[in-house]
Amino acid sequence: QVQLQESGPGLVKPSQTLSLTCTVSGDSIRSGGYFWTWIRQHPGKGLEWIGYIYYTGSPYYNPSLKSRVTISVDTSKNQFSLKLTSVTAADTAVYYCARDRVVVGDNWFDPWGQGTLVTVSS
Amino acid sequence: SSELTQDPVVSVALGQTVRMTCQGDSLRSYSASWYQQKPGQAPVLVIHSKDNRPSGIPDRFSGSSSGDTASLTITGTQAEDEADYYCSSRDNSGSHLGRVFGGGTKLTVL
Repeated sequence: QVQLQESGPGLVKPSQTLSLTCTVSGDSIRSGGYFWTWIRQHPGKGLEWIGYIYYTGSPYYNPSLKSRVTISVDTSKNQFSLKLTSVTAADTAVYYCARDRVVVGDNWFDPWGQGTLVTVSS
Repeated sequence: SSELTQDPVVSVALGQTVRMTCQGDSLRSYSASWYQQKPGQAPVLVIHSKDNRPSGIPDRFSGSSSGDTASLTITGTQAEDEADYYCSSRDNSGSHLGRVFGGGTKLTVL
């Protein structure tokens, strides 16, 4: 059974860089057909797709965040990571990692990590 | 990028059938997936590829699609189905590589 677990600081200062890691267990991140994804949820709000990366290292980002986001993968550790630069209070959210499966053009997110709250505050 | 529109709030009487909809141009090209989120928990996939249920999801959950609208139906709604429900699909703008979520529907079971 595949499981994902987010880790990283729960508090980041404004203008600094948010860094999170997602550790995958129960499957190899090199498995084909999956895109390793970050999604966030502002307090009391809906879900926002941030971006994904394939195990070969090809990322794709939400255009609204593209200038500040970097997603990378470390296949040796079975992990992928998120970096978000120049954070403000508007980046305070629960950050989820998830596995995005694509089959015949359609996609779905399963499973999800439990999520980690990141607060941007001085 | 594409947008998916969901009704913010839907209510249903215990044991009755409820249908939640998700509307967007991307659904003309790609199937919706649906997620259930209970307070303080991560979202859980309940439907993918229009009408496929992952193992462990009760068969009272079903999906359908027509044109630019996807639907999630719960037949015989249970109290534990009270939750937020989100739809998602591939984004059909630009390179079609992105993903998009609907704003979510809060389902209240009366």
